[in-house]
Parts: sequence; structure tokens; C-alpha cells
Amino acid sequence: AQSVTQPDIHITVSEGASLELRCNYSYGATPYLFWYVQSPGQGLQLLLKYFSGDTLVQGIKGFEAEFKRSQSSFNLRKPSVHWSDAAEYFCAVGALALTGGGNKLTFGTGTQLKVEL
Amino acid sequence: EAGVTQSPTHLIKTRGQQATLRCSPISGHTSVYWYQQALGLGLQFLLWYDEGEERNRGNFPPRFSGRQFPNYSSELNVNALELEDSALYLCASSSSRTSGSTDTQYFGPGTRLTVL
Repeated sequence: AQSVTQPDIHITVSEGASLELRCNYSYGATPYLFWYVQSPGQGLQLLLKYFSGDTLVQGIKGFEAEFKRSQSSFNLRKPSVHWSDAAEYFCAVGALALTGGGNKLTFGTGTQLKVEL
Repeated sequence: EAGVTQSPTHLIKTRGQQATLRCSPISGHTSVYWYQQALGLGLQFLLWYDEGEERNRGNFPPRFSGRQFPNYSSELNVNALELEDSALYLCASSSSRTSGSTDTQYFGPGTRLTVL
């Protein structure tokens, strides 16, 4: 069974500082990995995704993530955080339907980002 | 292009009642997924519909059910509501997975269900 671990429940950074949110996954085959962001009371917005190919993935709002198979990680980074980035961030792993796991996303527990001005 | 829409935004019910939540996918998408985001439990997969059929189901009791209509919109029904059913219910859509290709799920804003 697939699983996702986000070890940091809360992270606080100063505006303009760099950011790295950690994500570790467990999956038997090549994973399909996603980062989503959720503002209070809102749905999930897709930041970026990794299916195959280049292990450094660029997303929206200046975010990027790097897939490291040897470490089973897919950490999210941003070089300079803006106050509007304050939100909850979710890492997720997806399964290809034909593997029999069904087409569902398994989410981590989320990391709440606070940005200090 | 319109995104995934959900209705109602908020729903208040009492224990034992039934709740019906609705979702309209992005135009051209045939797969609809339902997730529950309950306080302290995180995001959990509920149901997946594709081409009008239920394809996969999460670890939820049978009183959680749904259907997908010919226009690919979907309905989630929760019978015999319990207090712990209070949560944000998120719907997502994607292109059909029956082809075996990879795809991405796009989420709606959610329906906040409160059970009193």
C-alpha cells in the first residue's frame, strides 16, 4: 500500500526567506507525485506534479520540487517566500489504475506554513 | 474554462438524516473522485467514478454512496448521518483513466457538511 509522510506539521519562515517542505513516500512502483496547496476554507490547488523524466519539476507560483528515488523523497522548495504563500501544503502519491490499486490519491497529513512579515 | 464546481457550499444536517452533495467536473473530464477531509483525520479517498461506473472505493461504510450521471456530474449521498461525518467533502475530476494513461486530479472548493 502506498503512503506519504510529511514530517513537519507546522513551519514558520520570514517573508523573503527560502522554504523547503519535506515529503517522503512509500510505493512499490514508480510513483506519481503531486504537491497541492489549500488556503483556509478552500479546495486544493495543484502546484506541480511528477510523472517521469526530469527529476526537478517546476510549478506555479515559483515553486519547484525534486524527486529523489534513492531517498523516496519529493521535497517542495521556493527560493523566496511571499506572505501570500501562507497556507497548508499537501504532498500526494497516485497509483496508475491498471496496477489494481485504483485511481486514488494518498495524501500526507499536510504542513501548515506561516509567513512572518 | 470553468473548474470543478460543488454544491452546496455549506450543508447543515442532524444525526440520522441524509445528505446529498453534488459535483460538476471540468468539461471533457469523465472521472470524478470524492475525498473526505475531517479534522484530525486528513484527506481520505472515498469514491471514484469513471464513465458512469464506480471504479474504486475507500475504507468507508456502505452508507456512503454515490453515482455518476451521463453528463459525468456526480452525487455523493451519506445516509444515517453521524456526528463524525462532519467534514469538508472535496470532489476532483480528471480525464478518463480507463485508457491507462496518467492524469491529474483537479479539485473543487468543497462542501462543508456539519452534522448536529
